[in-house]
Amino acid sequence: DVKVTQSSRYLVKRTGEKVFLECVQDMDHENMFWYRQDPGLGLRLIYFSYDVKMKEKGDIPEGYSVSREKKERFSLILESASTNQTSMYLCASSYRGSGELFFGEGSRLTVL
Amino acid sequence: EDQVTQSPEALRLQEGESSSLNCSYTVSGLRGLFWYRQDPGKGPEFLFTLYSAGEEKEKERLKATLTKKESFLHITAPKPEDSATYLCAVQANSGYALNFGKGTSLLVTP
Repeated sequence: DVKVTQSSRYLVKRTGEKVFLECVQDMDHENMFWYRQDPGLGLRLIYFSYDVKMKEKGDIPEGYSVSREKKERFSLILESASTNQTSMYLCASSYRGSGELFFGEGSRLTVL
Repeated sequence: EDQVTQSPEALRLQEGESSSLNCSYTVSGLRGLFWYRQDPGKGPEFLFTLYSAGEEKEKERLKATLTKKESFLHITAPKPEDSATYLCAVQANSGYALNFGKGTSLLVTP
């Protein structure tokens, strides 16, 4: 069964902490994405990657960075967490050019 | 700028009561329009891809259709297990990522 695995389902962090969200896919997909989902705002793209070491900013990249050192792993980094980054974070992957995204279960981050 | 607008925001149906969800879009060159289903506390799950006006796709009680400006997700004789949030998204010819609408939250009561 194909899978996108996010490292943590629930996290609670303090303002100013550095936060790492990890995502691993086992489908040999070229593309990987990080979205955040908030009530009333829907899914918004933070960053995506179309190849190892390649990254592109999405609609809301401010306050975030990403790393893709291996094809199967895409990490989202919050350098200094803030309360407005409290959200559900969703990782997804797809074959190059495909819009059929496979999503992970999500990581619910609370920043106090 | 690509835009995706879904309506209604929420819909409550009785079991067996058919209805449609709407997705209006503007995009500079449509590569594909996608429907996803999302259950509470889970990531979205892919349902359909539509590529060109006039295309239709079906899966069990769901049928998706596409025109040049909108897509409909028709739900025929829904069951309580169809309760979920349904998301519409577009992919432009120029891009990799999908632009999602805010979703329609569907509740089907017995």
